[in-house]
Amino acid sequence: LAKTTQPISMDSYEGQEVNITCSHNNIATNDYITWYQQFPSQGPRFIIQGYKTKVTNEVASLFIPADRKSSTLSLPRVSLSDTAVYYCLVGVRFSGGYNKLIFGAGTRLAVHP
Amino acid sequence: ETGVTQTPRHLVMGMTNKKSLKCEQHLGHNAMYWYKQSAKKPLELMFVYSLEERVENNSVPSRFSPECPNSSHLFLHLHTLQPEDSALYLCASSQVTAGGLETQYFGPGTRLLVL
Repeated sequence: LAKTTQPISMDSYEGQEVNITCSHNNIATNDYITWYQQFPSQGPRFIIQGYKTKVTNEVASLFIPADRKSSTLSLPRVSLSDTAVYYCLVGVRFSGGYNKLIFGAGTRLAVHP
Repeated sequence: ETGVTQTPRHLVMGMTNKKSLKCEQHLGHNAMYWYKQSAKKPLELMFVYSLEERVENNSVPSRFSPECPNSSHLFLHLHTLQPEDSALYLCASSQVTAGGLETQYFGPGTRLLVL
């Protein structure tokens, strides 16, 4: 499974755009890139998933360059409620029929007033 | 609300106690997972059940015993735990499909304290 590297922490202010970059140099051809968000004492929540180029949903955008060795999660106009830990994961579906997710330390985002 | 519930939300137990954690998913998924999250450590996958069959046991000590009676319910039976087992225990579920990468949906977790 490809290892991911992301900043340990980031600070931002309300209304700003936040970009969190994740490196995954050993990503395999059939790997997708997935981001989860976790608030204290809660389970992680799926944010967005992509394979290449750009994916956008109502919460965030995910930018993936052509070589797929990195990806950037973009959160537009953050609010205080976006303060959380953000995990970048690269996973592959095993023959056993399930998705083995390997969580790293994540990026702790603090949004200030 | 993710459709995955866990009970109890908080649990304090002694090292000689036996307790069980319960997880229920209301999403019609066919795979369920137990994760452990200790303070200042990444989430660790413990067990995976796919189609009610255990397909992964990630070197978890035998004092943790999972049970999956059907596709909607998952239990984690605990006995003779150690203080270092204190953590947030998270349950997740997903729908296994023939292709692509399924999304896991997590419950709120059970905060366990072993005294």
